Amino acid sequence: QSALTQPPSASGSPGQSVTISCTGTSSDVGGYNYVSWYQQHPGKAPKLMIYEVSKRPSGVPDRFSGSKSGNTASLTVSGLQAEDEADYYCSSYAGNIIYVFGTGTKVTVL
Amino acid sequence: QVQLVQSGAEVMKPGASVRVSCKASGYTFNGYNIHWVRQAPGQGLEYMGWINANSGGPTYAQKFQGRVAMTRDTSISTAYMELTSLRSDDTAVYFCAREPPATAGFDYWGQGTLVTVSS
Repeated sequence: QSALTQPPSASGSPGQSVTISCTGTSSDVGGYNYVSWYQQHPGKAPKLMIYEVSKRPSGVPDRFSGSKSGNTASLTVSGLQAEDEADYYCSSYAGNIIYVFGTGTKVTVL
Repeated sequence: QVQLVQSGAEVMKPGASVRVSCKASGYTFNGYNIHWVRQAPGQGLEYMGWINANSGGPTYAQKFQGRVAMTRDTSISTAYMELTSLRSDDTAVYFCAREPPATAGFDYWGQGTLVTVSS
């Protein structure tokens, strides 16, 4: 199972929006509505930000939103804040009760 | 509150085996699957597999089949991941994570266990 493809980096100024893409295949992202997004600060465990493509867990700000079109999922962070600077990973169910992660994107707040 | 507490860092020789534990508290252990993910230094997340905490049935990513075993002990709400025939490229932080039923999202994570493989 190959990793999902994400851009290595993305950036924006405080208050702006940034969108991260996550491209897979019809066997994973395109085949199921089970895409999740995780935020990871250095030295910390990942934190769930989005699940089932667009649902937010309790406590996650509504500045974070998810969507999907075909084999590509996206995470948008609106109203960027300094604390949003982190690595972001997508994940998708890939059939046969197995999951796959994306390559990761480093978000920088300028 | 929900917590997943993992065992401490390990330094292993090539060819050895390591077992990492993940003790759950604050919720009904049997009701949630436990997944294992690793992260090599400076690298991304890599999915290893999961265990059905209720039935005990494991499912492994193809890359690790034959070399990994995931088990659990419901009496002490603890999941285990054992990796055998360790190589230097198995050096990584290993995480356990909880999945609420049918969400495919990992909502709580352990703090991570650094496993270093070095001769």
